[in-house]
Amino acid sequence: QVSLLQSGAEVKKPGASVKVSCEAFGYTFTVSYIHWVRQAPGQGLEWMGWINPNFGGTNYGQKFQGRVTMTTDTSMNTAYMELSSLRSDDTAVYYCARAGGRSWFDPWGQGTLVTVSS
Amino acid sequence: QSALTQPASVSGSPGQAITISCTGSSSDVGSYNYVSWYQQHPGKAPKLMIYEVSNRPSGVSNRFSGSKSGNTASLTISGLQAEDEADYYCSSYTSSNSYVFGTGTKVTVL
Repeated sequence: QVSLLQSGAEVKKPGASVKVSCEAFGYTFTVSYIHWVRQAPGQGLEWMGWINPNFGGTNYGQKFQGRVTMTTDTSMNTAYMELSSLRSDDTAVYYCARAGGRSWFDPWGQGTLVTVSS
Repeated sequence: QSALTQPASVSGSPGQAITISCTGSSSDVGSYNYVSWYQQHPGKAPKLMIYEVSNRPSGVSNRFSGSKSGNTASLTISGLQAEDEADYYCSSYTSSNSYVFGTGTKVTVL
């Protein structure tokens, strides 16, 4: 059964960085892109970008370019998303999701709450 | 990239059918058959319900169906059940090689 397991909740101060992990189970990690999506409290979903675990290629959403770095460790079947220069409006649940075909996300990780507060 | 437009809320009685619209532009929904739909219960991760406009993943009830006309995609839930009460989001691939989600729709079963 395909599943994604994310790291636990984080509390960070403004200006700091956070790194969230996403470990994949039940499939060959390198055959599917991993997307990252976030959801601020009470708000909708926002796509952040994807990484190709096979070659490490990335595609970041324009809003996050310069602040986000997505990486993978294929030996551990794990993807990482690091967001720097954190602001209070970065407070959100961050999800990883496996890419399906060209256009869908399935399954999703359980989510990681990142709280940015002084 | 602006979010796709969905109604904030839709409601229906058990057994009824409801439809949720998702309006984009010629840069996303109108140009690609890469629209997907997700169901999200409170405090839970989203779940894929429809992919590539009208395809249902294994395990998803056939009460869920999708379609598209021009720049607007739609999700229909027939035979509405209490367990269908949740938030629903559409998503589309875009001409900028990115992805955009809809604003989200809260479905209430009366």
